[in-house]
This record gives sequence, C-alpha cells and structure tokens, in this order.
Amino acid sequence: NAGVTQTPKFRVLKTGQSMTLLCAQDMNHEYMYWYRQDPGMGLRLIHYSVGEGTTAKGEVPDGYNVSRLKKQNFLLGLESAAPSQTSVYFCASSVIGRSEGYTFGSGTRLTVV
Amino acid sequence: QQPVQSPQAVILREGEDAVINCSSSKALYSVHWYRQKHGEAPVFLMILLKGGEQKGHEKISASFNEKKQQSSLYLTASQLSYSGTYFCGTAGAGSYQLTFGKGTKLSVIP
Repeated sequence: NAGVTQTPKFRVLKTGQSMTLLCAQDMNHEYMYWYRQDPGMGLRLIHYSVGEGTTAKGEVPDGYNVSRLKKQNFLLGLESAAPSQTSVYFCASSVIGRSEGYTFGSGTRLTVV
Repeated sequence: QQPVQSPQAVILREGEDAVINCSSSKALYSVHWYRQKHGEAPVFLMILLKGGEQKGHEKISASFNEKKQQSSLYLTASQLSYSGTYFCGTAGAGSYQLTFGKGTKLSVIP
C-alpha cells in the first residue's frame, strides 16, 4: 500500500531545460493536487484535478502545465525551467467530499541553476 | 488569500501546553490541520467542518469558530514527538482545494 508516490525525489536542472514530475496514487482518489513549498511561504497550490481528464489552475500556475490522463496519475511539467522554480514540490490526493484529509507524497526537491 | 497563523514559532518544554491559531478573511467551510517534520511530507491531523463538532486526537484537539472564521489547535502535555511545523489549510463553500497558512514551528525540548 504505497499511498502517493512522487518521482523523482531530487533533480537539478539548468535554466531553460524542461522536465516532468510524476505523481501516482493507489487509493482510488478522485482529487489530486500539486503544491510547491518555499521557506516561510507555506504550501501554495499550483494546479489541481477533480477527476480524470480535468485540470484547473491554482494560486501559482504560471510556468507549469499538468495532465491527468489516468485517474491514478497526475503529471506536472516545467517547459522552460527558471531559478524561481527552485522549490520542493508536493503532490497530494483526496477523496470526494470533505470528511477526510489530504495524503501527501514525499516530495521532489528541484533546483534550477 | 492565505490564512494567517499565529504564533510563527513556539518553544515548549515537555508537558507544557500550546495553542496555534488560524484565521481567514474569507468565509470558511472546512479547516484542516497538518504536521510536517523536517524533510518529510505533511501529515493530516484532523478536519473541522462548518457546523461540526470540536475534534480530538489523543492530546491534540481543535475548534472552529465559524463567526470569526478562526480555528485553534490545542496541544496538551506536549511530547518531544510533537515537534514540527503545523499548517492549517482552509476551504470555502463549493471548493475542495485547500489554501494553507505559512505554518507555525513548534519545538518541544526536554
């Protein structure tokens, strides 16, 4: 029972390079989210999805794209990485409704140089 | 807008109590509380819903004041394992995505 799995765990990119972060959950959750965490800023929502094939923008979506082709997977893409995207990225999932909390993945530490 | 958490940091000795507050300028339907240890993912503690009851989890409990759009997390008889950063996450009616506060760093010392 893995829960939410993020890959990779660490990555260093050069400015302008692209990459995709993968989030996979095995709990049959409908909702999935991508957050970034920066020192002193808490967790800020980048994009989220309320079901397979649907995505929506969060608080800080610029410079990122997402896709949810399968219910269990939620991909976060950086088309042209910038130093300002250096952060720790967390994926989370939750059930429909408000009775339960989020399950977070272990995070991806991304450094853009 | 991010909810505002207070205090930003607190240091306790084992056995002492603490209260962490979370307030929002928006009408809230639900408030979540999470704890994150250094280098780890946030872990869900509890959820409070509008019109719901005060929640409790061992020696950690929380309340939700709907009129003031505020929630408080109560930690009693603190243990070393309570150390970490506590985040509140809030959602309004009709939304499931959470907006998190900046966190409160709690340090429990022997």
